[in-house]
Amino acid sequence: QLQLQESGPGLLKPSETLSLTCTVSGGSISSINYYWGWIRQPPGKGLEWIGTIYYSGSTYYNSSLRSRVTISVDTSNNQFSLRLSSVTAADTAVYYCASLPFADYYFKSWGQGTLVTVSS
Amino acid sequence: QSALTQPASVSGSPGQSITISCTGTSSDVGRYNLVSWYQQHPGKVPKVMIYEGSKRPSGTSNRFSGSKSGNTASLTISGLQAEDEADYYCCSYAGDSIYVFGSGTKVTVL
Repeated sequence: QLQLQESGPGLLKPSETLSLTCTVSGGSISSINYYWGWIRQPPGKGLEWIGTIYYSGSTYYNSSLRSRVTISVDTSNNQFSLRLSSVTAADTAVYYCASLPFADYYFKSWGQGTLVTVSS
Repeated sequence: QSALTQPASVSGSPGQSITISCTGTSSDVGRYNLVSWYQQHPGKVPKVMIYEGSKRPSGTSNRFSGSKSGNTASLTISGLQAEDEADYYCCSYAGDSIYVFGSGTKVTVL
């Protein structure tokens, strides 16, 4: 059973870059059997898909965030990461990492989520 | 990639059945039978209840079922129980490894 855990700073100032890491255990980030994704949820609001990466490095992003988002894989540490540049208060949210079984098209295992607040 | 449209709230009495709709377009819900549904209790992590339109993950109660007609997917909860009170989100594959979530529905058990 895959387990995922997000980590990173919980407080940022406007215009800074958000950087989060998701550590995967119980399986290999290099497995051909999974995609890896990031999803966020502003306080009191709904879920928003941010983007997805395959072990090969292929990335897929929400068009509304594409200009500011980078997702990468670190196979040596069994982690994948999210970078979101030029943050504003609108980026305040709980950020979740999740796994997507290859060819199953759904988010199966989720991390516990980490709250990132953007405030001056 | 506009969010899929869900009713803000749905309610029902214990034992009743309720249905939550999820309306997209011919580019997502209508094109692919790849809608998943997630249950989220307050302060908790979302949990998949249905995937690929109508499949239930191991351990998910058979009181939960999914279907689709045209550009609208639906989640039906039969035999409503107090523990079903939660927020529910649909999510559709939209091609090219793109996903879009619904706006979310709060289910209240009266």
